[in-house]
Amino acid sequence: EPEVTQTPSHQVTQMGQEVILRCVPISNHLYFYWYRQILGQKVEFLVSFYNNEISEKSEIFDDQFSVERPDGSNFTLKIRSTKLEDSAMYFCASTVATHEQYFGPGTRLTVT
Amino acid sequence: TQLLEQSPQFLSIQEGENLTVYCNSSSVFSSLQWYRQEPGEGPVLLVTVVTGGEVKKLKRLTFQFGDARKDSSLHITAAQPGDTGLYLCAGGDGGANNLFFGTGTRLTVIP
Repeated sequence: EPEVTQTPSHQVTQMGQEVILRCVPISNHLYFYWYRQILGQKVEFLVSFYNNEISEKSEIFDDQFSVERPDGSNFTLKIRSTKLEDSAMYFCASTVATHEQYFGPGTRLTVT
Repeated sequence: TQLLEQSPQFLSIQEGENLTVYCNSSSVFSSLQWYRQEPGEGPVLLVTVVTGGEVKKLKRLTFQFGDARKDSSLHITAAQPGDTGLYLCAGGDGGANNLFFGTGTRLTVIP
């Protein structure tokens, strides 16, 4: 069964460094999303992406964040200058037609 | 930001009992998804409901979307230890259907 994959599973970085989180959505899906989950808190929407552009973004998704679909398979989230409060699980999700979103296993980002 | 409140937050029951988990909001959603999440893993989709009043059954799990599309419930019949986990509801806001997640219900089924 097709699934969303994410790499790396765990990323440790120092404050101020840039990180890129990678996702491979399900191949025939058209809508792509990033969410994050701070430890012990609920899952929060960051950004949605369709037709090679951002559809919507939340207040969390400020100028330090960017997304890209560099080729036909990858979908990336970049954080330019990480902060301690960026430490969280980051989930990628994809869907064919917006209703049924399938999530990846997540990347645990630890900023020290 | 639409808020989804789930109740109860924690639930511990004996194997074989029935239970209901609630997901409530003051906002109207275009769809409502239920997910289950294991520690350190991504949410796994259980079901999507899109029509007010819709009821879907998945083996021992019954999901209902409220008539006004503001609330939902998950009913589990004859709970089993394998049902133990964190259950999340998530409402879609139309458009790109960005999901707003509930606070979660952590279920423990005791053998």
